[in-house]
Amino acid sequence: GAVVSQHPSWVICKSGTSVKIECRSLDFQATTMFWYRQFPKQSLMLMATSNEGSKATYEQGVEKDKFLINHASLTLSTLTVTSAHPEDSSFYICGFPRSDSYEQYFGPGTRLTVT
Amino acid sequence: QKEVEQDPGPLSVPEGAIVSLNCTYSNSAFQYFMWYRQYSRKGPELLMYTYSSGNKEDGRFTAQVDKSSKYISLFIRDSQPSDSATYLCAMSQITGNQFYFGTGTSLTVIP
Repeated sequence: GAVVSQHPSWVICKSGTSVKIECRSLDFQATTMFWYRQFPKQSLMLMATSNEGSKATYEQGVEKDKFLINHASLTLSTLTVTSAHPEDSSFYICGFPRSDSYEQYFGPGTRLTVT
Repeated sequence: QKEVEQDPGPLSVPEGAIVSLNCTYSNSAFQYFMWYRQYSRKGPELLMYTYSSGNKEDGRFTAQVDKSSKYISLFIRDSQPSDSATYLCAMSQITGNQFYFGTGTSLTVIP
């Protein structure tokens, strides 16, 4: 399967600060990418769909001004959590879908802890 | 009603047991059915994929889809301690589209 990297893998930040998470596909290109959030013992919940060259589409209940997504290229998307609060502490995972098949490749995830 | 329902467990079995994991869903438009394995603090990795109804076998793993009942299963034969992980079912309507995940079932295989 394809290789997807995420950076950082773990970050601790203070309440009120912003954190940027990078997701990069190393061996294929995608015009669409998904960002998920996963709380402990819960499943992945889709936050937003990121489209290269256009604005991201956010799921209901996800604040677009708080979770800024930039799909900079066909291999890179970033998620910035602005003015982070403790309730934003979660595991954030990106997913690159292939347009020509069922497959979706996931990054290893970023654990965010807001103190 | 959630799009996909999955018993979260936890499920604990002795080594060598047969494990059965299940999901039900409500959207009849789902065509692609996947099972992912996720170790703690890692991203999900694809285990099995099935298109539409039917069975698929890969080594110790068998995936079944019954679209008439909106029910999918993953069977693990001769379970090993290394199978201990959370298993997520996922499904989508068309290629390249968003996935809908179950909550995941936590499995522990005891040596």
